[in-house]
Amino acid sequence: DVVMIQSPLSLPVTLGQPASISCRSGQSLAYSDGNTYLNWFQLRPGQSPRRLIYKVSNRESGVPDRFSGSGSGTDFTLKISRVEAEDVGVYYCMQGTHWPPTFGGGTKVEIK
Amino acid sequence: EVQLVESGGGLVQPGGSLTISCTASGFIFRNYAMTWVRQAPGKGLEWVSAISGSGATPHYADIVKGRFTISRDNSQNTLYLQMDSLRGDDTAVYYCSNWPEGVHGVFFDYWGQGTLVTVSS
Repeated sequence: DVVMIQSPLSLPVTLGQPASISCRSGQSLAYSDGNTYLNWFQLRPGQSPRRLIYKVSNRESGVPDRFSGSGSGTDFTLKISRVEAEDVGVYYCMQGTHWPPTFGGGTKVEIK
Repeated sequence: EVQLVESGGGLVQPGGSLTISCTASGFIFRNYAMTWVRQAPGKGLEWVSAISGSGATPHYADIVKGRFTISRDNSQNTLYLQMDSLRGDDTAVYYCSNWPEGVHGVFFDYWGQGTLVTVSS
């Protein structure tokens, strides 16, 4: 199975400041169809997980544009340009290129 | 509106069995692969099992293979997970999720609210 490593484990951020989460995969996530199936999920306290980003950089409908994804191959990043209180939660990267799908360990975003 | 509602969680003794369910609405059930993802206390998300739209093709994480059985009833829009030989490390919130049949790589479109399974004596 493809191992997904996220850093940092915990990310205290001041409101209005940027945040960046790194995700590295154990092998390239580039697929034979030309796509890279790296997705990001948000898990807010008391809520169900929600997909924010799919195929590296595509925001889901309704996701604020302060969220952005980038990367290629084995290195990926989720950025929040200006953290808001509602962004508190745990963020997971997930690869869908190789079966079975695997998640990173999660990064907890909290307000300083 | 897509809704996934899990039920059937509870307390079970080690070595015991439990079946949890997920009732779906708001989409054509047979056109979607269905899946279970769990989150143990203080841990991250972990994919457990998935099944094709027809129910003909089940998949399991190695850690549950031979102990868990996924199934679906397309006439009742319901997904099941039968869990046998339960262990303490199976304690988790179990989420039901889905993605369109035949889609590659962009999984887990919608999620239920989860059902808690606790394995303890």
